[in-house]
Amino acid sequence: AQTVTQSQPEMSVQEAETVTLSCTYDTSESDYYLFWYKQPPSRQMILVIRQEAYKQQNATENRFSVNFQKAAKSFSLKISDSQLGDAAMYFCACNSGTYKYIFGTGTRLKVLA
Amino acid sequence: ETGVTQTPRHLVMGMTNKKSLKCEQHLGHNAMYWYKQSAKKPLELMFVYSLEERVENNSVPSRFSPECPNSSHLFLHLHTLQPEDSALYLCASSQDLYNEQFFGPGTRLTVL
Repeated sequence: AQTVTQSQPEMSVQEAETVTLSCTYDTSESDYYLFWYKQPPSRQMILVIRQEAYKQQNATENRFSVNFQKAAKSFSLKISDSQLGDAAMYFCACNSGTYKYIFGTGTRLKVLA
Repeated sequence: ETGVTQTPRHLVMGMTNKKSLKCEQHLGHNAMYWYKQSAKKPLELMFVYSLEERVENNSVPSRFSPECPNSSHLFLHLHTLQPEDSALYLCASSQDLYNEQFFGPGTRLTVL
């Protein structure tokens, strides 16, 4: 069975600094997709970044990048130059090529001015 | 309207009431999903529809009844709910079953 674990219930970062959110996963599939979603307070969940497991290169989207360690089944999210608008719940998710997305419990990120 | 919309945004109901949640996607996607989001728990997948056919019923109690009349609309009919059913109910859609999902704002449900 697939599992996704986010071991940090809450993180804080100073504005303009860098923060890394951790995620580990477990799947028996060889082909799968990993996602980070952001859910701001009282707002819609949106996709931050996506990584295909067959790609060795880490995905990057502007200030957001991932550190994908396939052997370790680790998929961390790095946010550079943190902004107040980055404050949100961040969810890691895994999809093994089916409709079954497995989400972690989330990490609440606080950005301090 | 763009993206995925959900109505109502908030709902309070008694255990004997019958109500429905509505989801509409304006993205031309083929798959739609219902999730339950409770505090400090992972998102729980409830139902999945692909091309208007249900492909997943994730052991959800029968007091929740989904309906997908077309690829743009998804309903969740509620009856005789329990207080533990209070949660944020999220609708999502995706182009197909393997792509990233686009979420609606959710319906905050409170069962008294």
